Amino acid sequence: QKEVEQNSGPLSVPEGAIASLNCTYSDRGSQSFFWYRQYSGKSPELIMSIYSNGDKEDGRFTAQLNKASQYVSLLIRDSQPSDSATYLCAVGQSGGSYIPTFGRGTSLIVHP
Amino acid sequence: DVKVTQSSRYLVKRTGEKVFLECVQDMDHENMFWYRQDPGLGLRLIYFSYDVKMKEKGDIPEGYSVSREKKERFSLILESASTNQTSMYLCASSLGSAGNTIYFGEGSWLTVV
Repeated sequence: QKEVEQNSGPLSVPEGAIASLNCTYSDRGSQSFFWYRQYSGKSPELIMSIYSNGDKEDGRFTAQLNKASQYVSLLIRDSQPSDSATYLCAVGQSGGSYIPTFGRGTSLIVHP
Repeated sequence: DVKVTQSSRYLVKRTGEKVFLECVQDMDHENMFWYRQDPGLGLRLIYFSYDVKMKEKGDIPEGYSVSREKKERFSLILESASTNQTSMYLCASSLGSAGNTIYFGEGSWLTVV
C-alpha cells in the first residue's frame, strides 16, 4: 500500500510567521506532487504542483521536493489568518497510475 | 479555468432510498473520480473512470455504483442509502495521462436519515 504521511496538527503559527507543512511518501517512483488547501466545509483547491527536485515559488507559497529523502514540503510566508485551513498533500503513483494518493491533511491555524 | 460541477450540494434522503449524485466537467478530461470525505478518515476513493463506460473500483465501492455514459458526466449511485453513507461526496477530474492534477467539484453533502 503506497502511503502519504502528514502530521495532522493542528499547526499553530502567529500572523506574519512562516508556516512549514511537511509530507513524506513511500512510493520511490512517484513523479508528481501536489498541495491542496481545504477550508472547513469546502472542497480541496489546488495550490501548487511540483515535479522536479528543488523549490518552486508562487507568491507567498513555496513547495520543496526532495525525491532522495521522499518528502515534499509547503512553506507559507507572511502567514495570514485567511491561510487557516487543512492542507492536503497528494502524490502521483508510479507505474502510470492515474490515481494519486492523498495524505490526511495538516490543519493550520494562523492566529492574529 | 477547470470547472467541475456537482449539481446537488445538499441532500437529505431516507434510509433505503436510491440516490443519484451527478457530476459534470467542462475540460474534456478523460479521468473522473468519486471520493467521500469523513472527519479523521481523509479522502477515500469510491470509483474511478478513465473513459466513457469504463470504471474501476476504488478503496470503498461497496454500496455504490457509477455510470459514465458521456465523457463529461460521471454519476454516483447509492442503490439503497444507509445512515453510514452520510458524508461529503467529492467529484474530481483530470487529464488522461498519469500524474496530472486532479480538480475537485464543490462537494455534495448527503445526510441519510
